[in-house]
Amino acid sequence: DIVLTQTPLSLSVTPGQPASISCRSTQSLLHSDGKTYLYWYLQRPGQSPQLLIYDVSSRFSGVPDRFSGSGSGTDFTLKISRVEAEDVGVYYCLQAIHLPLTFGGGTQVEIK
Amino acid sequence: QVQLVESGGGVVQPGKSLRLSCAASGLTFDMYGMHWVRQAPGKGLEWVAIISYDGSKKYYVDSVKGRFTISRDNSKNTLYLQMSSLRAEDTAVYYCAILPNYDIIKDHWGQGTLVIVSS
Repeated sequence: DIVLTQTPLSLSVTPGQPASISCRSTQSLLHSDGKTYLYWYLQRPGQSPQLLIYDVSSRFSGVPDRFSGSGSGTDFTLKISRVEAEDVGVYYCLQAIHLPLTFGGGTQVEIK
Repeated sequence: QVQLVESGGGVVQPGKSLRLSCAASGLTFDMYGMHWVRQAPGKGLEWVAIISYDGSKKYYVDSVKGRFTISRDNSKNTLYLQMSSLRAEDTAVYYCAILPNYDIIKDHWGQGTLVIVSS
């Protein structure tokens, strides 16, 4: 199974400052179709997860442009250019190239 | 709008069975593969199972293989998870979800249903 390792485990960020989360995979997530099926989710406190980024770097509908994704192969990054209070929660990466699908362990983001 | 509503959770003794349901509305249910994802209390997300749009293909995480069965009734727009031989480590909130699939970029989750396995 593919293991996704997220770092850091937690972040405390001043509003308006940037934040960055890393997700490393034990196998390449590049599909033979040329796409890379790596997604980023946010789970706000008490809520179900919601998709932020798909295919490494595409923002999902309604996601603010302060969120961006990058990376390739086995190394991926989610960046928040200017953290806002509503960004608090746990961020997860998800790979969907191989079954079983696997999530990263999560990164808790809090506001200072 | 799309709604996924799980039901069937509760407290169950180790070794017993439970069936979860997920009622879908606001979408063409039989167009989408469906997933179950769980989250143990205070822990991260764990993908559990997937069923294809027509029910012909199913896949499970190793920890539930042989104990859980995913199924669907497209005539009722409902997804199921039959759980048997339950263990304490199956205690979690269980979400049904439509996740992105290749070029189909959809993302819908239910509110989750809590399963507690305890004597």
